[in-house]
Amino acid sequence: VVMTQSPISLPVTLGQPASISCRSSHGLVHSDGNTYLNWFQQRPGQSPRRLIYKVSNRDSGVPDRFSGSGSGTDFTLKITRVEAEDVGVYYCMQGLYWPWTFGQGTKVEIK
Amino acid sequence: EVQVVESGGGLVQSGGSRRLSCVASGFKFSTYWMSWVRQTPGEGLEWVANIGAGGSDKYYVDSVEGRFTISRDDAKNSLYLEMNSLRPEDTAVYYCARSDQKGSVDYWGQGTLVTVSS
Repeated sequence: VVMTQSPISLPVTLGQPASISCRSSHGLVHSDGNTYLNWFQQRPGQSPRRLIYKVSNRDSGVPDRFSGSGSGTDFTLKITRVEAEDVGVYYCMQGLYWPWTFGQGTKVEIK
Repeated sequence: EVQVVESGGGLVQSGGSRRLSCVASGFKFSTYWMSWVRQTPGEGLEWVANIGAGGSDKYYVDSVEGRFTISRDDAKNSLYLEMNSLRPEDTAVYYCARSDQKGSVDYWGQGTLVTVSS
């Protein structure tokens, strides 16, 4: 399953919103009714950190300025107001088909 | 506090072998699926292998099938990746990660770098 993210690079002004798109080559809805789409953040020099699971569920400790949405094959991660600590690479990942696969990443930087 | 700590990375010649280890703490290791994921500068993140709680269910990405073996020792709270017939394209940072639910992982280690020289 191919995961395609856009844009690849996203320069954002502090305090402004940001949006990252992720498209899957296959639908990600399981027969159990869940959609297995995750979002991860990787800050410079750090390991990936999960932000969102099953499309829109935010992990504990993740600021509410992060939100996930979408269905089927099209998904979006939004940051309402970008802060300096949000700089890094963001990856979508599907966990329905083996092998689980990631998008190529979107690099968020401050203008 | 949940922690997973990898070790075992290093420089190895093409065709050689390496064993990676991951020690877990802060959670009941035996009840969780665990994963190995690798990251290369050019290819991004790639899932390598998963192992089920109990160790009987194992999945591998095609590129490592038959060369890599994932295993676990619940008595030692440890996860392993035995890598054989290594190739330069296996060069990557290898992460150990805990799967807290179907289709996802939550905690990642800091990674261990494996460099395969040709």
